[in-house]
Amino acid sequence: GDSVTQMEGPVTLSEEAFLTINCTYTATGYPSLFWYVQYPGEGLQLLLKATKADDKGSNKGFEATYRKETTSFHLEKGSVQVSDSAVYFCALSLVGGADGLTFGKGTHLIIQP
Amino acid sequence: EPEVTQTPSHQVTQMGQEVILRCVPISNHLYFYWYRQILGQKVEFLVSFYNNEISEKSEIFDDQFSVERPDGSNFTLKIRSTKLEDSAMYFCAGQGLATGGINEQFFGPGTRLTVL
Repeated sequence: GDSVTQMEGPVTLSEEAFLTINCTYTATGYPSLFWYVQYPGEGLQLLLKATKADDKGSNKGFEATYRKETTSFHLEKGSVQVSDSAVYFCALSLVGGADGLTFGKGTHLIIQP
Repeated sequence: EPEVTQTPSHQVTQMGQEVILRCVPISNHLYFYWYRQILGQKVEFLVSFYNNEISEKSEIFDDQFSVERPDGSNFTLKIRSTKLEDSAMYFCAGQGLATGGINEQFFGPGTRLTVL
């Protein structure tokens, strides 16, 4: 079945550091890929998305590129802020379908001032 | 901007009791979902709902669970006889027609269910 694997957390960085959170996937079809963010005490918010190979999703300084050859969708940010502290979930869904999202386990990011 | 709402934000119940979690999706959405997140774990898909019937369900969604869209606006998840292990955050989500091949789901803020 479909699955998403994320790097284990927590990830602790200093403010202004470079961030990478790795995400790889397995899928039976051609999925859309997503990053969701969950701030403390809140629900899931879509951070960015990509629908086909080599697409780059971006939002709030975060980027992720859909790499079909390596089945990856790594999340990056050049300079993190304390306010980026949250749990980040990589997820996939089959294009055009109404099936549920398959989430990774989430990576807890802690940014220290 | 339209948003998904869920009530209540927190529900405490005794083991064996029935609970109904409520969601109001965005009005022009067509597909509806329930997910749960046990504390500290990943978000898990429970069920999807389209055209007034279940279109897909996971292994978690057993006979104790049911979903309904009774009046065209609310979308409910019922747990018939709650167990301790049902304690989790439950998220509702909705999706419109896929645009440009991107089937984006919009999530509500969640209902925290605590079973004692």
